[in-house]
Amino acid sequence: DGGITQSPKYLFRKEGQNVTLSCEQNLNHDAMYWYRQDPGQGLRLIYYSQIVNDFQKGDIAEGYSVSREKKESFPLTVTSAQKNPTAFYLCASSIERGRSAEAFFGQGTRLTVV
Amino acid sequence: EDKVVQSPLSLVVHEGDTVTLNCSYEVTNFRSLLWYKQEKKAPTFLFMLTSSGIEKKSGRLSSILDKKELFSILNITATQTGDSAIYLCAVEKGNTPLVFGKGTRLSVIA
Repeated sequence: DGGITQSPKYLFRKEGQNVTLSCEQNLNHDAMYWYRQDPGQGLRLIYYSQIVNDFQKGDIAEGYSVSREKKESFPLTVTSAQKNPTAFYLCASSIERGRSAEAFFGQGTRLTVV
Repeated sequence: EDKVVQSPLSLVVHEGDTVTLNCSYEVTNFRSLLWYKQEKKAPTFLFMLTSSGIEKKSGRLSSILDKKELFSILNITATQTGDSAIYLCAVEKGNTPLVFGKGTRLSVIA
């Protein structure tokens, strides 16, 4: 079955630690996206990648980093510079760059800083 | 600055009621407007609208777009408890990622 897999589903981290969220897709999609969701805030774009080895900052990129070394994978690192990292993180992909309307979403990772 | 504004932000109705959710937008290079339903985790796609005045329908849900007034509505008739969710409106512009509104949290009580 094709789809997007995010792992882990739940993640706890101590303040000051970096943590990496995994996102893998086997849909052969070119474009991948990371969104953050807070209560009452909808989805806000962190980073996106339209093609391998290229990515762009979204609206709230500060304190995050990404890489796109393979088409299937777009991991997100939440660094210690992110002041308020507790949130629900969603990864998405779309078949071609420039057509984000065709996006498929993963099941999300809920990150809690303790 | 691009804006997608949804109203109301939350809504509580009784089973059987009809609800209308609103989404207004101001974006450059508009391509399409999308509605998603989010129950617990991943948003699931409901509708994509590109043309004014053409209603899209799926069971008890329907949606329409007004490109002159920059507005869309999502209607749900004969609501059921299973309709309880966050409904997200998003706009596709140019060749950049979707811009989302804050969502409307709908609670349907028996």
